[in-house]
Amino acid sequence: KAGVTQTPRYLIKTRGQQVTLSCSPISGHRSVSWYQQTPGQGLQFLFEYFSETQRNKGNFPGRFSGRQFSNSRSEMNVSTLELGDSALYLCASSDGDSSRVYGYTFGSGTRLTVV
Amino acid sequence: AQSVTQPDIHITVSEGASLELRCNYSYGATPYLFWYVQSPGQGLQLLLKYFSGDTLVQGIKGFEAEFKRSQSSFNLRKPSVHWSDAAEYFCAVGSNTNAGKSTFGDGTTLTVKP
Repeated sequence: KAGVTQTPRYLIKTRGQQVTLSCSPISGHRSVSWYQQTPGQGLQFLFEYFSETQRNKGNFPGRFSGRQFSNSRSEMNVSTLELGDSALYLCASSDGDSSRVYGYTFGSGTRLTVV
Repeated sequence: AQSVTQPDIHITVSEGASLELRCNYSYGATPYLFWYVQSPGQGLQLLLKYFSGDTLVQGIKGFEAEFKRSQSSFNLRKPSVHWSDAAEYFCAVGSNTNAGKSTFGDGTTLTVKP
């Protein structure tokens, strides 16, 4: 099975711009979660999608949004980028309908740098 | 609210020595517990998981972890560390109420001395 694929691997954006990150989960996985990882805050939950529906959302401003397509691929979008959005964004897919039992398979992440 | 604490930010062990990484959790019900490993610039890889049954669970790469309810702990162990084990290790707890969300500890960075 192919793993979780995140594109692009690296991005450099300017403050005020917007960005879209993509994630293709493992075939058959219907749950996709997104996390932001920074040295200061660690791993923070952004949101989770299951069968095209957002089931949970973390404590992030509305500038952070996402969606999931019928083939389970997911995108997240960050509008009006701020310097503090610089982070490694990780996508994680899960077998079954919940990661709490099965755990995640993570992608390699997208490293976003905002300048 | 659920939380995970990894008391050790950084641990250094010699190659061939045993390893124990500590994890304490706070959770209202039976927890779903995980250990992940992250190499620099990479995503996280699931090492092992626990949600019921035998309290000693075996994982990949020779790792094991023991769930101790009385101590709210889920410590990761390996009897003999290899240089390739140098990485960051994260303990996590899955949510019973928020499907698809896990809470992660701050991580423990493992350095392996030759």
